[in-house]
Amino acid sequence: QSALTQPPSASGSPGQSVTISCTGASSDVGDFNSVSWYQHHPGKAPKLLIHEVTKRPSGVPDRFSASRSANTASLTVSGLQAEDEADYYCSSFAGRGHSYVFGTGTKVTVL
Amino acid sequence: QVQLVQSGAEVKEPGASVKVSCQASGYTFANYGISWMRQAPGQGLEWMGWIGPNSVDTQYAQNLQGRVTLTKDTSTTTAYMELRSLRSDDRAIYYCARDRSGSLRAFDIWGQGTMVTVAS
Repeated sequence: QSALTQPPSASGSPGQSVTISCTGASSDVGDFNSVSWYQHHPGKAPKLLIHEVTKRPSGVPDRFSASRSANTASLTVSGLQAEDEADYYCSSFAGRGHSYVFGTGTKVTVL
Repeated sequence: QVQLVQSGAEVKEPGASVKVSCQASGYTFANYGISWMRQAPGQGLEWMGWIGPNSVDTQYAQNLQGRVTLTKDTSTTTAYMELRSLRSDDRAIYYCARDRSGSLRAFDIWGQGTMVTVAS
C-alpha cells in the first residue's frame, strides 16, 4: 500500500490560513468515509484533529476544518497560531480487511 | 483519564527481537482494538497492524507480515508489539493507539512512543 501524497511543507503568517492536501486513490481516500487528520509535535504523541473526513472531536478548535473531493482530502487551518507549527498527517482506511495508510506528512511553519 | 503508556526505549542488535508494551487505563480495554504505528527518523507515520477488541483478530501491514506479532492481555489491560529479525531500518519510534475503526474510523488516543534503536 503506497503512502498518501501530501506536500512536504506549508507556511503562513499568524492569523492567515493554510490548506494541506492529501491525495490517494479510489480504493482509499475516495472510497471510504474514513479520512482522518493528525497533528504531531515532534517528541509528543500525535493528536487526532479530524475523523470521518470532516468531523472534529470535542476539544479541537473550529479553526481546523477538512473536506474531500474525489481522491483528495484537504485540511485547512484558519487563524494560524504559533502552536499550530507541527507536522500534519492524513490517514485513510484502505480496505482489505482492516488496514490503514498514512500520508507522507506536511510540516507547517508559522512565519 | 483515558491514556496509553508505553514501555521505555530499547536498544537491540540486528537479528534480535523487541517487544514493546502499551498499557491502557481510563476505558474498557476489552471493547477496543489497538493499532500500532512507527516513525523512522525523518520519515512519516507508517501503520503496522491492528489487533481487535477480542484479542484474536489481527491484521498486519504486508511489508511486516511474518516479522511482527500483536497481542493483547485484557487481564492487565496491556497490548504488546513484538518485532523479530530486527534490521537497521527498523530503527524508529513505535506508537500504539486506540483504534476506533468501528465508529470514528480513526485513532483517537495515542501512546507517548517508544524509541527502538537497532545497532551492533
